[in-house]
Amino acid sequence: SQKIEQNSEALNIQEGKTATLTCNYTNYSPAYLQWYRQDPGRGPVFLLLIRENEKEKRKERLKVTFDTTLKQSLFHITASQPADSATYLCALAVGSSNTGKLIFGQGTTLQVKP
Amino acid sequence: EAGVAQSPRYKIIEKRQSVAFWCNPISGHATLYWYQQILGQGPKLLIQFQNNGVVDDSQLPKDRFSAERLKGVDSTLKIQPAKLEDSAVYLCASSLDPAGGTQYFGPGTRLLVL
Repeated sequence: SQKIEQNSEALNIQEGKTATLTCNYTNYSPAYLQWYRQDPGRGPVFLLLIRENEKEKRKERLKVTFDTTLKQSLFHITASQPADSATYLCALAVGSSNTGKLIFGQGTTLQVKP
Repeated sequence: EAGVAQSPRYKIIEKRQSVAFWCNPISGHATLYWYQQILGQGPKLLIQFQNNGVVDDSQLPKDRFSAERLKGVDSTLKIQPAKLEDSAVYLCASSLDPAGGTQYFGPGTRLLVL
């Protein structure tokens, strides 16, 4: 069966440390993968997109890796801040290449403590 | 630029009643999505429109849910009759380019069915 799995338990880290969130999937062949941030009571906000032929993508303190052999994406936040506390969702693009259909993981809640 | 607008923000109804949600996407965005997000889960795509045509409604419970996008701009999602398990946040999103494009989400409508 097709599955997308993110760390189900909340991730608690100290300010300044690097947070690493995991997204594993089975029986999908995504053309690309996206990461979104969601704050309580709000809609998800796009952070990064990485394509199947890309190994790594960076944006400021954020880094995403994509290993299509392992069927895994890692999302890193370096020098984490309390303001980074939120739920982070990974989303796989599935279906035909031009529909943009996304399948979301359940999300991982990150708590950064001062 | 203005974001995706949704209304109402909150709705409480009794089971077997009907309810409708409204979405106004970002100006110029041809693609519109409706998602259902149950507490603790990631968003699940219900229906995707490209202009006023349906691209994907494979996960829309068509016996009770309906959606339309007249004139290719605003959209409404209706549930009739509602069930207890329909309690969720209903998110609307839009994108300029469905193929690999960022999806911009609205704040969502929180529905509670009693």
